[in-house]
Amino acid sequence: DGGITQSPKYLFRKEGQNVTLSCEQNLNHDAMYWYRQDPGQGLRLIYYSQIVNDFQKGDIAEGYSVSREKKESFPLTVTSAQKNPTAFYLCASSEGVSTLDTQYFGPGTRLTVL
Amino acid sequence: GENVEQHPSTLSVQEGDSAVIKCTYSDSASNYFPWYKQELGKRPQLIIDIRSNVGEKKDQRIAVTLNKTAKHFSLHITETQPEDSAVYFCAAPGGTALIFGKGTTLSVSS
Repeated sequence: DGGITQSPKYLFRKEGQNVTLSCEQNLNHDAMYWYRQDPGQGLRLIYYSQIVNDFQKGDIAEGYSVSREKKESFPLTVTSAQKNPTAFYLCASSEGVSTLDTQYFGPGTRLTVL
Repeated sequence: GENVEQHPSTLSVQEGDSAVIKCTYSDSASNYFPWYKQELGKRPQLIIDIRSNVGEKKDQRIAVTLNKTAKHFSLHITETQPEDSAVYFCAAPGGTALIFGKGTTLSVSS
């Protein structure tokens, strides 16, 4: 999991602003995922991508957008449409696209709305 | 779709005791069940997983059991130590992505 990096570690956003969270992996993994973590809520899937230039909505995609222009990169944009964006955001990747493949997580970005 | 329920939400034990966390799932076709450990402020890390062709898997003090008939799987930690204190998540396949339980906060006091 050391091959997955996220930046920044902490991010502060004013209301009405869009912000982009970075996720990079050098593991040559095909699949990448974004999760949101809130206290007592576990990990909730925002978006995932199984191949370059393709991605799918997860359970809580509203107010978020992603792109997958390169295999190693999967940035997440938190838009102003996301009404409660303060949370811990985790990126993950897996070697293949099967749910049998182990997911490895990045260190996370903590987003706070001021 | 898949639904994963995890219990208990918090668990406090004395050092040296055993701890058991249970998860139930709804999709009988699910065939892979990982467990992740997340220390405070850190990333979740896979500690053990089990596939549906076996009923139990052990790794030192950690074991996972699977009951496909009842659709539940459990994490067992023996001889708990203070460094076992963390949040533990179970997961099961839900379509093309994993569905995670809400987590169990384990506290081990010495």
